[in-house]
Amino acid sequence: AQKVTQAQTEISVVEKEDVTLDCVYETRDTTYYLFWYKQPPSGELVFLIRRNSFDEQNEISGRYSWNFQKSTSSFNFTITASQVVDSAVYFCALRRGNNAGNMLTFGGGTRLMVKP
Amino acid sequence: NAGVTQTPKFRVLKTGQSMTLLCAQDMNHEYMYWYRQDPGMGLRLIHYSVGEGTTAKGEVPDGYNVSRLKKQNFLLGLESAAPSQTSVYFCASSFEQGASSSYNSPLHFGNGTRLTVT
Repeated sequence: AQKVTQAQTEISVVEKEDVTLDCVYETRDTTYYLFWYKQPPSGELVFLIRRNSFDEQNEISGRYSWNFQKSTSSFNFTITASQVVDSAVYFCALRRGNNAGNMLTFGGGTRLMVKP
Repeated sequence: NAGVTQTPKFRVLKTGQSMTLLCAQDMNHEYMYWYRQDPGMGLRLIHYSVGEGTTAKGEVPDGYNVSRLKKQNFLLGLESAAPSQTSVYFCASSFEQGASSSYNSPLHFGNGTRLTVT
C-alpha cells in the first residue's frame, strides 16, 4: 500500500523567513513518482513539481527547492525568503510506477501561513 | 483553453436527496478522476476512468457512482446523500495519448465543488 505523510499540519512564519515542508512516503515499488501541489486560498490545485524515483537530483526553481532522499523516503520542499503570496495548503503526492491509471495518493497537506 | 471545468461550484443537499456533479475537460485526456478533500485527510480518490466507457473504484467509492459516456465528461452521482458526504469534490484529468511523457503527466484539476449535506 502507498502512503504519504505530511506531519506538519500548520506552519506559521514571518515574511522573508525560510520554511521547509516535510513529506515522507511509503511504497514497495522501485519505480514511483512524487509530486507537490499548491492550493491557495482560492481553492484550485496548482502543480509545482514532479520527481521520479531514479532521479535524486535536487531541484531549484526560483525561491522553491526540493530535496529528494530515497534513503529516508523523503521529498521535502523549501521556500526561501517566504512571501505572503506563498500562504497556501501544500500537498505532497505519490504515484506508483506501474500505475496504469496515473492515480495519486495524497498526504494530508500542510497549511502554510506567511505573515507580513 | 478552459482545462477542467466542474459544475456546480456549490450545492446544499438534504439527507437522502440525489445529485450529479459534472466534470468536463477539453485537453483530450484519457484519464479522469474524482477526489474528495476533507480537512487533515488530503485528497482521497473516489472513482476514476482510464477511458471512455470504463470506470473503476478508488479508495472511498461507497455511496457514489460514476459514468464516462463521453471522453470529455466524467459524472459523479450521489444517489442518497448523507452528511458524511459533505466535502469539497475535485475532478482531475491526465494523460494524452501520444504525448511525450504522458504516462506520468501531472493531474490537471478543476476548481472544486463544495457540497454540504444537512
